[in-house]
Amino acid sequence: QSVLTQPPSVSGAPGQRVTISCTGSSSNIGAGYDVHWYQQLPRTAPKVLIYANNNRPSGVPDRFSGSRSGTSASLAITGLQAEDEADYYCQSYDNSLSGSVFGGGTKLTVL
Amino acid sequence: QVQLVESGGGVVQPGRSLRLSCAASGFTFSSYGVHWVRQAPGKGLEWVAVISYDGSNKYYADSVKGRFTISRDNSKNTLYLQMNSLRPEDTAVYYCAKCQTYYDFWSAVDYWGQGTLVTVSS
Repeated sequence: QSVLTQPPSVSGAPGQRVTISCTGSSSNIGAGYDVHWYQQLPRTAPKVLIYANNNRPSGVPDRFSGSRSGTSASLAITGLQAEDEADYYCQSYDNSLSGSVFGGGTKLTVL
Repeated sequence: QVQLVESGGGVVQPGRSLRLSCAASGFTFSSYGVHWVRQAPGKGLEWVAVISYDGSNKYYADSVKGRFTISRDNSKNTLYLQMNSLRPEDTAVYYCAKCQTYYDFWSAVDYWGQGTLVTVSS
């Protein structure tokens, strides 16, 4: 059971928009700690997609965006493409655990 | 370019020890915090430990506290993870991962190694 809760899977057709939620609590996201998002393609190491809630590293398409509100955060992907099929993870800091926490991961399927 | 190369993984019996290494290059290693993150086969990411740029601060996940020790040698640009009293549930790919900002080791991870597989089995 992960401290941050994500849906196990989401899907969408090419060109559509999908969102992935990340629900935490008052000791992590709700306490104002930043949320980061990672994309993990099959058999590869994760890659940062969004850092500090809504910032994209250079090279990440603007189809990817992040937001945070209350005890939750979301990753939105617009103009879905086949190469977006991957696992997505959110991450934050938890002050009751004094450590970093990841969501359980969401598998995105492009139909 | 930034490179993180893990080594030291392998098959080990329950209760035994193993030490992982992560050789860093392409950035000022002594200025950044570094994490260990693991991923069990077919499972999600699990944060293991983090160490500050100078080694003075270390934090661990409850699942490894008291058994694992994170350390670094800035003169060798190398991160370590000493794993003792290993359990089958420690079986995973172990990644070393660089903190994005030099001043906050709870910032995002901007670079990951390729990982090294640790299998705990009799």
